[in-house]
Amino acid sequence: GAGVSQTPSNKVTEKGKYVELRCDPISGHTALYWYRQSLGQGPEFLIYFQGTGAADDSGLPNDRFFAVRPEGSVSTLKIQRTERGDSAVYLCASSFTSGNTGELFFGEGSRLTVL
Amino acid sequence: AQKITQTQPGMFVQEKEAVTLDCTYDTSDQSYGLFWYKQPSSGEMIFLIYQGSYDEQNATEGRYSLNFQKARKSANLVISASQLGDSAMYFCAMRVGFQKLVFGTGTRLLVSP
Repeated sequence: GAGVSQTPSNKVTEKGKYVELRCDPISGHTALYWYRQSLGQGPEFLIYFQGTGAADDSGLPNDRFFAVRPEGSVSTLKIQRTERGDSAVYLCASSFTSGNTGELFFGEGSRLTVL
Repeated sequence: AQKITQTQPGMFVQEKEAVTLDCTYDTSDQSYGLFWYKQPSSGEMIFLIYQGSYDEQNATEGRYSLNFQKARKSANLVISASQLGDSAMYFCAMRVGFQKLVFGTGTRLLVSP
């Protein structure tokens, strides 16, 4: 498809388990972003990639969260030892260049539920 | 610290009427960008409109316009001629630094026939 694709769309896991969430950005987009949206809140920034490198990971809440983008396209958000407070929708976005007027193209998100 | 405030948790409007969604922001930066996104029930965030801090004219995109009042630090979204498909969550956001967007808590808009 032409848009940002995120998988899985829904993930239910147990506390303490490891989870991977995948984002496939729009082809040719060099910038990729992860946001987390808790119920009733706006999205919160987690991490931003320019190409393969994480240009800003200041939003990652702790060291249980890690993200990679090894070939500069697909990105994986990895959460270790999940906690109930990690339950949220994880949104991925991409844009053609960095520093543009903000037209980020978002995916539909991965809803994570930690029991 | 940069912050976006949306004080209207919900708004109702009749089809074909105009509606204003409020947004105020707080920043000490001179250069910043303000955005509005629409989030339908599918969850996808859809970019609507952008206003740069140095833009002298209010931004417009079709039925959307941004009422930018810099001295008041407000960036209200005006939707003219509301349609049923406009029912969704609307988020105001501000660009922090070069890349990060800070979002408000959103306003749920319901358009009735």
